Amino acid sequence: DQQVKQNSPSLSVQEGRISILNCDYTNSMFDYFLWYKKYPAEGPTFLISISSIKDKNEDGRFTVFLNKSAKHLSLHIVPSQPGDSAVYFCAASERTSGTYKYIFGTGTRLKVLA
Amino acid sequence: NAGVTQTPKFQVLKTGQSMTLQCAQDMNHNSMYWYRQDPGMGLRLIYYSASEGTTDKGEVPNGYNVSRLNKREFSLRLESAAPSQTSVYFCASDWDSLFGYTFGSGTRLTVV
Repeated sequence: DQQVKQNSPSLSVQEGRISILNCDYTNSMFDYFLWYKKYPAEGPTFLISISSIKDKNEDGRFTVFLNKSAKHLSLHIVPSQPGDSAVYFCAASERTSGTYKYIFGTGTRLKVLA
Repeated sequence: NAGVTQTPKFQVLKTGQSMTLQCAQDMNHNSMYWYRQDPGMGLRLIYYSASEGTTDKGEVPNGYNVSRLNKREFSLRLESAAPSQTSVYFCASDWDSLFGYTFGSGTRLTVV
């Protein structure tokens, strides 16, 4: 039973437009959420995070929105650039045993078309 | 460069062989993790170590063992490899998980 779901395996967007990547979760105890970006043959790199006490967090072109009642978060990239083409994973966690163990979604492959 | 180093990068094993995947970090992080990535499955946690001297099971620990040798090193051992363990394995570490993990570049393992 997947606790973190990314229902869109892929997404194509024109350069300069907005990319919206979605993520749903089932565990209401999750209180911290991350987005990672992954290029081929590399490890995932941390992109942006959000705590459950917030509903929005911005970092440059990247904004993450959290809707706790719907158990839904989304990543907005504006404007999208060809270098943003990668696989994006969302991850969710609750603090247990003194650390956060993240559950990852299956990823969405974003392709930004020049 | 500071970060997480995984060795080897590629490995082919025959069914039943054993091997150890090595991971080392030089960022003085307390916690370390092993994940596997499979098509359509995302990243799944195998084992983690919240601090030196402790290890705990994640989502998919069966068929694996780990050792937290010291604060820097966290190894993953396959005692008797099976084709179902064909995957890309990522090691990660963090000082405070609220800032996200730092991942290594991965080990691509094929079991034939």
